[in-house]
Amino acid sequence: AQSVAQPEDQVNVAEGNPLTVKCTYSVSGNPYLFWYVQYPNRGLQFLLKYITGDNLVKGSYGFEAEFNKSQTSFHLKKPSALVSDSALYFCAVRDGKGGGSQGNLIFGKGTKLSVKP
Amino acid sequence: GAGVSQSPSNKVTEKGKDVELRCDPISGHTALYWYRQSLGQGLEFLIYFQGNSAPDKSGLPSDRFSAERTGGSVSTLTIQRTQQEDSAVYLCASTKARYEQYFGPGTRLTVT
Repeated sequence: AQSVAQPEDQVNVAEGNPLTVKCTYSVSGNPYLFWYVQYPNRGLQFLLKYITGDNLVKGSYGFEAEFNKSQTSFHLKKPSALVSDSALYFCAVRDGKGGGSQGNLIFGKGTKLSVKP
Repeated sequence: GAGVSQSPSNKVTEKGKDVELRCDPISGHTALYWYRQSLGQGLEFLIYFQGNSAPDKSGLPSDRFSAERTGGSVSTLTIQRTQQEDSAVYLCASTKARYEQYFGPGTRLTVT
């Protein structure tokens, strides 16, 4: 069965410091991996994805994530955090077995990122 | 262009009543998904429509839940005989030939 783990319920970072939000996954085939961000009372916004190719993917708002197959991880990173980055972050996975661009996602529980000035 | 829209934004209903939640996907998107976000369960997949294929209903939690998609566009999620545990934010997403899904703002359902 597919699953996603976000081991931290909350991450606290000072503005200007680097941030990391952790995600590990389990799928039987090749993983398709995604990060979404949710601001208060808003829907989810797509940040970035890994489908194939380079292990380091870059996304919106200066975020990036590194796919590590041996560690089954896809941690979200940003070199310098902003107060405006404070939000709820979700990692999601889909099993790429069978190919195709569409299919439902399995989400982690979410990590609340708090960036203090 | 316009994103995914959902209505109503908030719905309060009494236990035992039926509710209908609506989703308007991005124009031209062939795939439409319903998810549920609740405090204890995180984000759960409910149902998925792809073109004219039979929907994937594997995530529906009980037979009180059903959904339809008319004309390959608008979708309605119906919950019959609502229970308090149905209280959650119901999110709709759509996509077309892209791996990422685009989400609407959600409908917050409160069952009293």
